[in-house]
Amino acid sequence: DAKTTQPPSMDCAEGRAANLPCNHSTISGNEYVYWYRQIHSQGPQYIIHGLKNNETNEMASLIITEDRKSSTLILPHATLRDTAVYYCIPRGRGSTLGRLYFGRGTQLTVWP
Amino acid sequence: ETGVTQSPTHLIKTRGQQVTLRCSSQSGHNTVSWYQQALGQGPQFIFQYYREEENGRGNFPPRFSGLQFPNYSSELNVNALELDDSALYLCASSLGERLGKSEAFFGQGTRLTVV
Repeated sequence: DAKTTQPPSMDCAEGRAANLPCNHSTISGNEYVYWYRQIHSQGPQYIIHGLKNNETNEMASLIITEDRKSSTLILPHATLRDTAVYYCIPRGRGSTLGRLYFGRGTQLTVWP
Repeated sequence: ETGVTQSPTHLIKTRGQQVTLRCSSQSGHNTVSWYQQALGQGPQFIFQYYREEENGRGNFPPRFSGLQFPNYSSELNVNALELDDSALYLCASSLGERLGKSEAFFGQGTRLTVV
């Protein structure tokens, strides 16, 4: 599985878009990019994943660069409840589904 | 609510003791994974069970062992507890062995303190 680099912390004003970057320059062609978040003292929560096309769901949008070496998770209208640690996790097609390799993630703080 | 429940929520044990943590997976899920999360770190993969058999293991010693039952619930057992075993232990359930539409859903974790 590819290694990732994420900024250790970011902050964002409530109601504004939060853009969380992830560098995964060693990602291989068969690896998806998954994003999870972990609110303090809770288990991680799945957000979104993609392979090479941009993806959007009710929680967030995922923008993957054309060379797939980096991606950005976008929370379009951040709320206080979005304060959490966000993890970017490349995972291969052959990976067993439950096996996730978490780094240190980005602590996002949304302020009022 | 993910439908994954873990018990107990908190536990205090003495160094050298043994502990058993329990996880009930989401209905219909046949794969359970366990993670250890030390303070300030991301979760670290311990092992995974698929259809009652261990199906992958991270870099943890043999004193970390597990079971999966026919109803797909699971236990994590840790023998000869050490102070460094103090952590949040997370269980995740998912459907199927391979990457697919079903994502991994996590429980709230068990906070283990070893004194």
